[in-house]
Amino acid sequence: QKEVEQDPGPLSVPEGAIVSLNCTYSNSAFQYFMWYRQYSRKGPELLMYTYSSGNKEDGRFTAQVDKSSKYISLFIRDSQPSDSATYLCAFGYSSASKIIFGSGTRLSIRP
Amino acid sequence: DTAVSQTPKYLVTQMGNDKSIKCEQNLGHDTMYWYKQDSKKFLKIMFSYNNKELIINETVPNRFSPKSPDKAHLNLHINSLELGDSAVYFCASSQVTGGGEQYFGPGTRLTVT
Repeated sequence: QKEVEQDPGPLSVPEGAIVSLNCTYSNSAFQYFMWYRQYSRKGPELLMYTYSSGNKEDGRFTAQVDKSSKYISLFIRDSQPSDSATYLCAFGYSSASKIIFGSGTRLSIRP
Repeated sequence: DTAVSQTPKYLVTQMGNDKSIKCEQNLGHDTMYWYKQDSKKFLKIMFSYNNKELIINETVPNRFSPKSPDKAHLNLHINSLELGDSAVYFCASSQVTGGGEQYFGPGTRLTVT
């Protein structure tokens, strides 16, 4: 079983739709959970960061973590063409270590 | 601008050559990283340095050698380049080692022919 699984997409939705992106993981040692956004030919940038189970909201973005089921989600409300990018889930350990990235979901928002 | 910068942005070279990629961050971070992103967008850590000291060294061929002259710089030297080395290489930095908030450079697209 892979440590992190993420549907690669591509996912194409119309402007204004609610987008749901998901990752599952198998490593119970993960302590913090992140979503990075990567535009084409750019470096990833941190979008959301959370430690605990539950929801965290930031503007149109909501990150959801369910530690018991080992999945995380990112919801984008009122999606815009500028949200078109690859979204990477990422996981970290409590001890100073490395981050494990998902393979990314390519998202396209149609005007 | 405060950022992570990399040079060169594009690198095209032949098999067997030796090349270097440079990275600099002016964010005052203590930790820097090198990642490799393959054609399927899979982003995998290669090395991590904290204040010039090697922290993480993943299973990377020893043809790859990182060098950190100071905590603001982390360079990557690659010997005897192979076709499979073609990828985008990203440098990143963070305030603390393993910290989730990592700041990435723009990437260096390496093509080995």
